[in-house]
Amino acid sequence: ETGVTQSPTHLIKTRGQQVTLRCSSQSGHNTVSWYQQALGQGPQFIFQYYREEENGRGNFPPRFSGLQFPNYSSELNVNALELDDSALYLCASSLEYGVYEQYFGPGTRLTVT
Amino acid sequence: DAKTTQPPSMDCAEGRAANLPCNHSTISGNEYVYWYRQIHSQGPQYIIHGLKNNETNEMASLIITEDRKSSTLILPHATLRDTAVYYCIVDNYGQNFVFGPGTRLSVLP
Repeated sequence: ETGVTQSPTHLIKTRGQQVTLRCSSQSGHNTVSWYQQALGQGPQFIFQYYREEENGRGNFPPRFSGLQFPNYSSELNVNALELDDSALYLCASSLEYGVYEQYFGPGTRLTVT
Repeated sequence: DAKTTQPPSMDCAEGRAANLPCNHSTISGNEYVYWYRQIHSQGPQYIIHGLKNNETNEMASLIITEDRKSSTLILPHATLRDTAVYYCIVDNYGQNFVFGPGTRLSVLP
């Protein structure tokens, strides 16, 4: 069974650019959540997708957007990058929406210069 | 803001039990207690979760007080590989986890 994978591993972008991060959920999982983790802090919830629909959103501006595809893989898009967007971006999948454990990927390290 | 309070750091001797406390005094009736850990540079790893009753799995035990205002994660025989940041989270089944700063556990040889 393949775990949660994310690509790319590392990314460097310039302020004002746009970025797309990708996540492949664990097999059979239909719920995916995205988190941002700044250095030295706990992960912060960005949003969640359940069966291709956004199912909850944290305190992040609209320039953070996402998609979930029919195969339940997912993308996180960030427009107009700011220096403070530099962080580790984590995705987590779970079997269903509900009281199920989330399985996290290794993350994508984004650096904005 | 996180709904939990944890000590920022703890040490534990290798082979001994590690007992990590968590306060969640404002927990509501339908909220579960989850524990995750994050080893340096990796994604968080699920450990255990519970609602009211104590829970045990192959990794750890979770002890929840009767009033549900606090809990303790127990790693029965800590090893060096258990050195990590441990996060206690309370949430209903929405999975919109709010992580606090966690407890940095150092297992010492």
